[in-house]
Amino acid sequence: EDQVTQSPEALRLQEGESSSLNCSYTVSGLRGLFWYRQDPGKGPEFLFTLYSAGEEKEKERLKATLTKKESFLHITAPKPEDSATYLCAVQAVRSGGSNYKLTFGKGTLLTVNP
Amino acid sequence: NAGVMQNPRHLVRRRGQEARLRCSPMKGHSHVYWYRQLPEEGLKFMVYLQKENIIDESGMPKERFSAEFPKEGPSILRIQQVVRGDSAAYFCASSPPQNTEAFFGQGTRLTVV
Repeated sequence: EDQVTQSPEALRLQEGESSSLNCSYTVSGLRGLFWYRQDPGKGPEFLFTLYSAGEEKEKERLKATLTKKESFLHITAPKPEDSATYLCAVQAVRSGGSNYKLTFGKGTLLTVNP
Repeated sequence: NAGVMQNPRHLVRRRGQEARLRCSPMKGHSHVYWYRQLPEEGLKFMVYLQKENIIDESGMPKERFSAEFPKEGPSILRIQQVVRGDSAAYFCASSPPQNTEAFFGQGTRLTVV
């Protein structure tokens, strides 16, 4: 069974204080690892997809990296508007074309204080 | 290009009533997925549909829950005889045929009183 564990559960940062969120996963064969951002009362907003170990992607103050066991979401010089829950999900390679299902972690609640 | 549209955003039902949640996928997306988010839990897969076909309903409760994606119109998630434990946020997502990135709607928050 696919498993995704995110840590920490909650993180408080001061504006400008860089840090990283962790996503550890167990999957029989990784098709893709996804990062989403979720604001309170809203749906998950797609950020990145990573497909293979060593891959990195960047968007503004966010950078996502991937190894064979985990992914990191690095936040550089965060601003209060970066406050949100960050969700990690994996999509496994499965036979019969059933490789669409996302297994999510519980998320990391990030709060950036001004 | 509008995103995934879900309605209603909030739905209150009394125990025993039916709840109908609607989802219109993004333009060009033919695959629809429903996920449920319970308080303090992660998003859980419920069902995957293509037009007029249920591909995988392995995450759906065996009773009272059903989903459809007709040839015309939105996808519908139907919950019959709702109970308090059905209170949750229900999210719909859509993707293109390649099953790459899934884009989520804003969700329907169901409250059963």
